[in-house]
Amino acid sequence: AQSVSQHNHHVILSEAASLELGCNYSYGGTVNLFWYVQYPGQHLQLLLKYFSGDPLVKGIKGFEAEFIKSKFSFNLRKPSVQWSDTAEYFCAVNALPGANNLFFGTGTRLTVIP
Amino acid sequence: EAGVAQSPRYKIIEKRQSVAFWCNPISGHATLYWYQQILGQGPKLLIQFQNNGVVDDSQLPKDRFSAERLKGVDSTLKIQPAKLEDSAVYLCASKRTGLSSGNTIYFGEGSWLTVV
Repeated sequence: AQSVSQHNHHVILSEAASLELGCNYSYGGTVNLFWYVQYPGQHLQLLLKYFSGDPLVKGIKGFEAEFIKSKFSFNLRKPSVQWSDTAEYFCAVNALPGANNLFFGTGTRLTVIP
Repeated sequence: EAGVAQSPRYKIIEKRQSVAFWCNPISGHATLYWYQQILGQGPKLLIQFQNNGVVDDSQLPKDRFSAERLKGVDSTLKIQPAKLEDSAVYLCASKRTGLSSGNTIYFGEGSWLTVV
């Protein structure tokens, strides 16, 4: 069975600090990987996704994530956070072939202090 | 392009009452999902439709939850009777075709249910 672990439940950073949120998944085969963000009172929005190719993927708003297959990880990074990045971040995975839906982690709440 | 529409946004009901949530996916999206997100947890799939057929309902508590997508567009999720542990956000999402094609899943704003 697939599962996704996000070990950081709540991260508090000052503006301009660097961010790295951990995501590990358990599945031995080919996967598609996603990071979604949920700003307060808003719906889930896709930040970035990895399907194949370059393991370093760039998303919106300066976010990037690196897929390390040997570590079953897909950590999210941003070199300098802003107050507006305060949100909940969810890592999600779907296993191939034929998987039709996403398995989500429990989420990491990011609070950025001005 | 309009997003995934859901209603109502908020609902408070007493336990053992019933509730229904409605979803209108993005136009042209054949795949529709209902997820349940309990506070402090990530979304969990309840049911997935491809057009008007059910693809996966293995996580749907069928003794109290039901969902339909009769014409392959709008969908309704019903809970009857509700329990306290059903308090959650119910997210509707849609996608153009099967996930393996690489298309993105788009989420609605969710319907917040509180059962008292």
